[in-house]
Amino acid sequence: AQKVTQAQTEISVVEKEDVTLDCVYETRDTTYYLFWYKQPPSGELVFLIRRNSFDEQNEISGRYSWNFQKSTSSFNFTITASQVVDSAVYFCALSEARAGNNRKLIWGLGTSLAVNP
Amino acid sequence: EAGVTQFPSHSVIEKGQTVTLRCDPISGHDNLYWYRRVMGKEIKFLLHFVKESKQDESGMPNNRFLAERTGGTYSTLKVQPAELEDSGVYFCASSHRQGGRETQYFGPGTRLLVL
Repeated sequence: AQKVTQAQTEISVVEKEDVTLDCVYETRDTTYYLFWYKQPPSGELVFLIRRNSFDEQNEISGRYSWNFQKSTSSFNFTITASQVVDSAVYFCALSEARAGNNRKLIWGLGTSLAVNP
Repeated sequence: EAGVTQFPSHSVIEKGQTVTLRCDPISGHDNLYWYRRVMGKEIKFLLHFVKESKQDESGMPNNRFLAERTGGTYSTLKVQPAELEDSGVYFCASSHRQGGRETQYFGPGTRLLVL
């Protein structure tokens, strides 16, 4: 069965600190996708990144970076020099990538990040 | 380009009443998904449409839930009769699959409270 675990329920940091959000997943599939979504206080789910299981290169986008390690089944998300606008709930999700139509997402419980001025 | 829209944003109904949620996907997206988040639990898949066809409705809780996507455009999710445990946030997502790759884009959700 597929499962996503985000062990950190809530994190609180002071602005400009770096923060890492952990995500550990379980799947029997050899091919799969991993995602991060952000849910700001307004409630919508905002797509941040998609990563294919064959691509273990880390990715950086501005202050955001992602560390994908297949050996430990982890896909961690780091925010460098955090800002108040980063305050949100962050979700990690997994979907299979086999041929076929359903790519339903399996979600973690989310990590609520509060960045304080 | 307009994103995924959902209506209403909030709904408060009494147990036993009927509620219909609507989702308008991004234009051109064949795939449409419904998810639900019950307070304190993870977001869970309900069902998946490809155009007007239901591909997978394995996540639908019971037969009080009925989803349709007539004409392969917008979708509705009707709950009849609503029960207390149906309260939660209902998210809709749409996607276009290209070369095997797919990203689901979400609407703002409908917050349903059943009293």
